[in-house]
Amino acid sequence: AQSVTQPDIHITVSEGASLELRCNYSYGATPYLFWYVQSPGQGLQLLLKYFSGDTLVQGIKGFEAEFKRSQSSFNLRKPSVHWSDAAEYFCAVGGAAGNKLTFGGGTRVLVKP
Amino acid sequence: GAGVSQTPSNKVTEKGKYVELRCDPISGHTALYWYRQSLGQGPEFLIYFQGTGAADDSGLPNDRFFAVRPEGSVSTLKIQRTERGDSAVYLCASSPYRTIKNTEAFFGQGTRLTVV
Repeated sequence: AQSVTQPDIHITVSEGASLELRCNYSYGATPYLFWYVQSPGQGLQLLLKYFSGDTLVQGIKGFEAEFKRSQSSFNLRKPSVHWSDAAEYFCAVGGAAGNKLTFGGGTRVLVKP
Repeated sequence: GAGVSQTPSNKVTEKGKYVELRCDPISGHTALYWYRQSLGQGPEFLIYFQGTGAADDSGLPNDRFFAVRPEGSVSTLKIQRTERGDSAVYLCASSPYRTIKNTEAFFGQGTRLTVV
């Protein structure tokens, strides 16, 4: 069975500082990996996705993520955080058919001025 | 708007009652998904439609839950004999392709269901 672990429930970061959110997955075959962001009152929005190829993927809003098969990880990064990045972030894994996503528990990011 | 629309945005119901939650996907999207998000948790898959048929309903927790999409567009999630444990945000998403490998799934803002 596929699963996703996001070890950090909350992260507080100062505006302008870098951010890294951890994601570890368990999947028996080649995973399809996603990061979504959920802001208060907003629906889930896709930040980026990885299916194959270059293991460093670029997304929207200046985010990037790196797929490391040996570590079963897909960590999300941003070099300089803006106050508007305060939200909850979810990592998700899907299978070959891609139509059933398994989400992690989420990491809530707080941005200090 | 052009996004996924879910109604109602909030629903409070008494234990044991029947509820229906509606999802209007983005026009032309053939794939439709229902997820459930309990407080403090990530979304959990419930059911996936490709067109009018339920291609995967393995996430439905029990036979009190049922979903339909009779014309391949609007979908309704139906919950019978609601229990307090059904309280959650129910999310709907749609995608224009058969699998989300080809594109992203667009999520609605959800229906917050509270069973009292």
